[in-house]
Parts: sequence; C-alpha cells; structure tokens
Amino acid sequence: DTGVSQDPRHKITKRGQNVTFRCDPISEHNRLYWYRQTLGQGPEFLTYFQNEAQLEKSRLLSDRFSAERPKGSFSTLEIQRTEQGDSAMYLCASSSTSGRGYEQFFGPGTRLTVL
Amino acid sequence: GENVEQHPSTLSVQEGDSAVIKCTYSDSASNYFPWYKQELGKRPQLIIDIRSNVGEKKDQRIAVTLNKTAKHFSLHITETQPEDSAVYFCAASKGLTGGGNKLTFGTGTQLKVEL
Repeated sequence: DTGVSQDPRHKITKRGQNVTFRCDPISEHNRLYWYRQTLGQGPEFLTYFQNEAQLEKSRLLSDRFSAERPKGSFSTLEIQRTEQGDSAMYLCASSSTSGRGYEQFFGPGTRLTVL
Repeated sequence: GENVEQHPSTLSVQEGDSAVIKCTYSDSASNYFPWYKQELGKRPQLIIDIRSNVGEKKDQRIAVTLNKTAKHFSLHITETQPEDSAVYFCAASKGLTGGGNKLTFGTGTQLKVEL
C-alpha cells in the first residue's frame, strides 16, 4: 500500500497519560498535515510541515501537543497529560508542492479515547 | 481566519435523483475548494476540487460550481446510487499562494440514497 499510513489505528489511554501517534506520508510528498476530527464534525487543522520544518500551528494546538518530522519523512504527534477532551480521530494527510500540489491524501486516522 | 458553513447537515434522496450540497466561505483570499467523501470508519477521499479561476467543473456524475462574488460553492451529484451514501465535506484553502494549503472544512452533510 503506497498511501498514507498511521499507527496505531486505535489508542485507549487514561487521563494524564502521554500518547504518541505516527504518520507515514506518501513517499514523494514533502508536505504533511495533522488534523483532528470529532464526531459529527469536519477535520480541524492542527499543524503542517514542509519537509522537516513545522510551518504553522493552529491555536487549537495547546502546549500539551507537539509534532515532529525529524527527517522530512514520517511525523509523530505527541499529546502530554491527556484530557478527556482530547478524545478524537487524529488524521494525517500529505501532499506534494510539485505538479498539481493541491490534493491532500488522508491516512486512516488514529482514534484516541481518553478515559 | 477562514470559516466554512455547509448545508444541509443531512440529505435523503431517492436513487436516481440529484443531490445538491452548498457551502459558503468567509475569506475572499481562498482559492482552492475540494470536496471529500467519507464513508463510515474510513478516511476522507477527494472526489472533486475546483480552483478560483474556474466557475464550474464536472467529472461524470459529479459537478462543482463556484461563485466567487457570493463566496459560495456547491456539489451536485446526479443519478445518485446507494454507494453515494456517505458524509460529504467541503473545504477551502488559499492553496499554494499562502497558508500552506491548510484546509478549513465544513461540518459535513450525511447523504443517504434510498432504494
């Protein structure tokens, strides 16, 4: 499968624990995005990278959230001291700035449940 | 920032009928408008997109229209089939001219095609 992959697909954690999610974009894509989707809502932008540089972070991304893309390939999203309000689907997407450059391809998401 | 509103939230049609979903956006600098289809438990998938230099685009049974003056765009699905049943999201972004193409999504339309 050459699409965007995410790991794990599901994560259940207790409030106050730290969690880390991984996203592997389509190999030639230099842009990588993180979105959060809650039930009945559209995805909300969290942050994006171009290569290894994090170029923008949403105000939704509190200090408990951190994202990295150390070598410009895969990315990780860490949530520290999780809260029940963090329960959501975390979606990763990737795109390329060459060619059409617009279409974002989404991964299957990581569903986080904070108890 | 950008705000995208989407209507209706649910839409039920008979197989073979047409379906129309409407979105409005607030930022006149937005220039890229994709539509995503999300089936239950699956990733969002792009079905059609339109750029601000085009007023209409068609792909088989799916078409999108854009009115930049009024800042609204619509998805039209003709000859609906049961497999069209899903949640549809509109989105807007500034594409490659700024904002890194981060997408602002509408709240989604649950389309149900009944036999």
